[in-house]
Amino acid sequence: QMQLQESGPGLVKPSETLSLTCSVSGGSISVYYWNWIRQSAEKGLEWIGRIHTSGNTNYNPSLKSRVTMSVDTSNNQFFLKMTSVTAADTAVYYCARDLAGDKFDSWGQGTLVTVSS
Amino acid sequence: DIQMTQSPSSLSASVGDRVTITCRTSQSISTYLNWYQQKPGKAPKLLIYAASSLQRGVPSRFSGSGSGTDFTLTISSLQPEDFATYYCQQSYNFLLFTFGPGTKVDVK
Repeated sequence: QMQLQESGPGLVKPSETLSLTCSVSGGSISVYYWNWIRQSAEKGLEWIGRIHTSGNTNYNPSLKSRVTMSVDTSNNQFFLKMTSVTAADTAVYYCARDLAGDKFDSWGQGTLVTVSS
Repeated sequence: DIQMTQSPSSLSASVGDRVTITCRTSQSISTYLNWYQQKPGKAPKLLIYAASSLQRGVPSRFSGSGSGTDFTLTISSLQPEDFATYYCQQSYNFLLFTFGPGTKVDVK
């Protein structure tokens, strides 16, 4: 049973960079798509983007200018960086596996990130 | 963007009830539609994929149907553990996956 776990700062100051790590256990990160999804009361569930272990990425166009994803297959981890954050980026951030590019079948427990000074 | 709507936004039901939730998309997505269940403080859980395929381990009281722009999630006999919020998600546009706003199922 594959398990995903998000980690990173729970508080980020406005205009700074949000950095999160998703650690994958119980299987290899190789192959599959790896996604970041966030959830807030204002916007509901919002897909941020995904990275394939080949390095290919797809980002939500509304966030594309501020988002970078990367993957470290040797350590079974993938990463999210979001620059110039504002209060609107306050949300629970989830990492999720996408088996065939079309459904999120494994999720991390989520981590709350608050943007505040 | 493919816009998603769900109805109702909330419903009250009793154990044993048959519950039906509808999801509508702003353009045809064939059967590229998934359903998730989310309980408070937990991550969403995949229930149904490709509109009607039951995810492994999900009870058979859950079923999905539909194609094009109109989809339905049905719980044939609501159980106590089914009180939760349900979301649909389209995977037709893999450059921008989108979710519905959710349907909360609570106790009547």
